[in-house]
Amino acid sequence: NAGVTQTPKFRILKIGQSMTLQCTQDMNHNYMYWYRQDPGMGLKLIYYSVGAGITDKGEVPNGYNVSRSTTEDFPLRLELAAPSQTSVYFCASSSQGGAADTQYFGPGTRLTVL
Amino acid sequence: DQQVKQNSPSLSVQEGRISILNCDYTNSMFDYFLWYKKYPAEGPTFLISISSIKDKNEDGRFTVFLNKSAKHLSLHIVPSQPGDSAVYFCAAKDGSNYQLIWGAGTKLIIKP
Repeated sequence: NAGVTQTPKFRILKIGQSMTLQCTQDMNHNYMYWYRQDPGMGLKLIYYSVGAGITDKGEVPNGYNVSRSTTEDFPLRLELAAPSQTSVYFCASSSQGGAADTQYFGPGTRLTVL
Repeated sequence: DQQVKQNSPSLSVQEGRISILNCDYTNSMFDYFLWYKKYPAEGPTFLISISSIKDKNEDGRFTVFLNKSAKHLSLHIVPSQPGDSAVYFCAAKDGSNYQLIWGAGTKLIIKP
């Protein structure tokens, strides 16, 4: 019963490098989300998806890209990493996306850009 | 501008006593409010929620109160236990939007 898994747990990037943060869920949820959490701040939505093949921007999408080719996977791509992208990244999923919908979170990826 | 505010970065409470965590919001369109709990090196986990049509929701030791006129909600934990030590996030959404708007969190420390 894995729930939402994220890899890697930690990563250090140099400015200008690219990487993909992986997220997989085994709950057959239609909705998936990527958040970032900066120190002392709440989570901010980067991108979300309401099903395979459908993605949309959240509050802070600049510098990121996503794809959703399967129900299970929702990778987040960072192109040309910048120090401002140093953060903890959380992936989440939910079954229906409505008001009462509960989001289930992965353990996070701590990314540092130097 | 912060639409959801948790003004206390930390709170220390004696084991067995009541813990009260507060949250204020500015957007009157919010119609659903949630509390999440987060341990270090883990993702947030859902704790309890409340719809704007209610003023109270209870689940075991956890009760959330909503005061819409004051745009304020609070989470009561009673009695507080050592395992309750964590960061608690308040989050809100309006029915037309998938986006959860999060507060900055309050770190709760339960002293033995």
